[in-house]
Amino acid sequence: GAVVSQHPSWVICKSGTSVKIECRSLDFQATTMFWYRQFPKQSLMLMATSNEGSKATYEQGVEKDKFLINHASLTLSTLTVTSAHPEDSSFYICSARDLRAGDAEQYFGPGTRLTVT
Amino acid sequence: GQNIDQPTEMTATEGAIVQINCTYQTSGFNGLFWYQQHAGEAPTFLSYNVLDGLEEKGRFSSFLSRSKGYSYLLLKELQMKDSASYLCAVRSFSGGYNKLIFGAGTRLAVHP
Repeated sequence: GAVVSQHPSWVICKSGTSVKIECRSLDFQATTMFWYRQFPKQSLMLMATSNEGSKATYEQGVEKDKFLINHASLTLSTLTVTSAHPEDSSFYICSARDLRAGDAEQYFGPGTRLTVT
Repeated sequence: GQNIDQPTEMTATEGAIVQINCTYQTSGFNGLFWYQQHAGEAPTFLSYNVLDGLEEKGRFSSFLSRSKGYSYLLLKELQMKDSASYLCAVRSFSGGYNKLIFGAGTRLAVHP
């Protein structure tokens, strides 16, 4: 099946710094990628939808100036957490839809665990 | 708005059958998905229903009734490795695109 990768798999940063997370579709093209956040023992919460070549669409309550999304190509989307704070510590997961699969399935990356100290 | 409900926790015995229910309320319904997630890992796709009825895939089956806003995931011949969280997710078409919204997940514990 289609593979989605994320980098880094985990990161620790100091409060006030910015962190960039990359999401790549390795063997397929994805015009749309999704960013989710998951706190311990909770489900995935959709943060934003990343569209190649256009601005991302953010869910209600998600600060677009804090979580910057760039989808510059059909295989890469990045999420930058700006001025990170301890409450941003979470598991960030991206997913992508394979155009060839007729839009039926959404593939998930392995996730990035962010810890802000 | 959107609302997806599923039980928080379930337990079952190895070799048995377990059914995990999911009810939902959403606009622009465009499919229902089930994912399995082990702790600390990303979700993995299990099944997809867009029409009413039962979809069978090996030990896993999923059922959908759109009129009732109801789905279930049936796991047969349970194995210890099936201990995981099972996420019900609804895809809805909104604002010109599809998006996948997840329920809180059901943590399944399989005992010997």
